[in-house]
Amino acid sequence: QVHLLQSGAEVKMPGSSVKVSCKASGGSFSNYAISWVRQASGQGLEWMGTFTPIFGRWVYAQKFQGRVSTTADTSTNTVFMELVRLTSEDTAVYYCATGPLVDIYRLDPWGQGTLVTVSS
Amino acid sequence: IVLTQSPGTLSLSPGEGATLSCRASQSVNSEYLAWYQQKPGQAPRLVMYGASSRATGIPDRFSGSGSGRDFTLSIRRLESEDSAVYYCQQYGTLPTFGQGTKVEI
Repeated sequence: QVHLLQSGAEVKMPGSSVKVSCKASGGSFSNYAISWVRQASGQGLEWMGTFTPIFGRWVYAQKFQGRVSTTADTSTNTVFMELVRLTSEDTAVYYCATGPLVDIYRLDPWGQGTLVTVSS
Repeated sequence: IVLTQSPGTLSLSPGEGATLSCRASQSVNSEYLAWYQQKPGQAPRLVMYGASSRATGIPDRFSGSGSGRDFTLSIRRLESEDSAVYYCQQYGTLPTFGQGTKVEI
């Protein structure tokens, strides 16, 4: 069973960018897709995008077009999500989650979450 | 596709049963309908996928059903550990989540 470990909490200024990492242990990213889902305080879940490292394919929600990107370091089984031009509305917990290649949006398991706070 | 969950909150006693509803704005292939459980301060956990298949480690008190636009997650013999917010997710098109149903035991 894959286990996902995310990087720690971040505090960012409006207009800046944030890069969140998600490291997999117990499995290789070549067998999975990685999705990013965020959750503002007290709110529901919002899918941001899904990256399939083995194909280098990145599918993302239209809402984040031009602001979000993802990269992978296969040597360390780590995926990075970068969100640029941050505003206060980006304050949220960001989760990574895996999905099998045959069902990439079936999200299991999830990382522990990374709180990103955008504040001046 | 917009998913609307009802009710917003369910307050029940241990041993009772819960029925959670998820209605889609358009038809969803049941293969692409999942449910997640989220306890306070924790990441979501997959409970059900393919509308009616239990995820690993989920007790058989949980069951899922539905097709088309209407899907249901049922929980029999509620236990205190079932207290959580439950989200439905569709991914027939790009993924979307419902707004959640809070189950209080």
